[in-house]
Amino acid sequence: DAVMTQSPLSLPVTLGQPASISCRSSQSLVHSDGNTYLNWFQQRPGQSPRRLIYKVSNRDSGVPDRFSGSGSGTDFTLKISRVEAEDVGVYYCMQSTYWPLTFGGGTKVEIK
Amino acid sequence: EVQLLESGGGLVQPGGSLKLSCAASGFTFSDSDMTWVRQAPGKGLEYLSHISANSAYTQYADSVKGRFTISRDNSKNTLFLQMNSLRAEDTAVYYCGRRPPGSLDYWGQGTLVTVSS
Repeated sequence: DAVMTQSPLSLPVTLGQPASISCRSSQSLVHSDGNTYLNWFQQRPGQSPRRLIYKVSNRDSGVPDRFSGSGSGTDFTLKISRVEAEDVGVYYCMQSTYWPLTFGGGTKVEIK
Repeated sequence: EVQLLESGGGLVQPGGSLKLSCAASGFTFSDSDMTWVRQAPGKGLEYLSHISANSAYTQYADSVKGRFTISRDNSKNTLFLQMNSLRAEDTAVYYCGRRPPGSLDYWGQGTLVTVSS
């Protein structure tokens, strides 16, 4: 299985400041079709997960442009350019290149 | 608007069975692969099972293989998860999700399964 490792585990951030979450895979996520199937999800407290980013850097409809994804191969990053109060929650990366789909352990974003 | 609504969760004794349902609307269910994911209390996300649009293909995580069965009824836009031989470690919120090629986009609100005597 592709093991997904996120860091940090917890990320206290000041409102208006940037935040960055790292996600590393135990193997390259480049699919045989040439795509890299790395996704990012946000889970606000008490809610189900919501997809933010797919295929490394494609933002879902309705996702604020302060969220951006980047990376390649085995190393990926989710950045929030200016954290807002509504961004509090746990963020997960997920690879969908290989079966089974696997998730990172999550990064909890909180306001300082 | 895509909507997924899980039901069927509850309290069950170890060794017991439960069948979850996921009612889908807002998209062409019969064209969509679907999945189940769970989240134990205070823990991360675990991918459980996948079913292709026409039910021809199913897969399971090792943790549930042989105990859980995924199925669907395209005439009723409904996804199912039959869970047998339940264990305490199966206690979790169970989510259904739509599985487009290369991703998992929409999730339901989840249904809680508690396995306890």
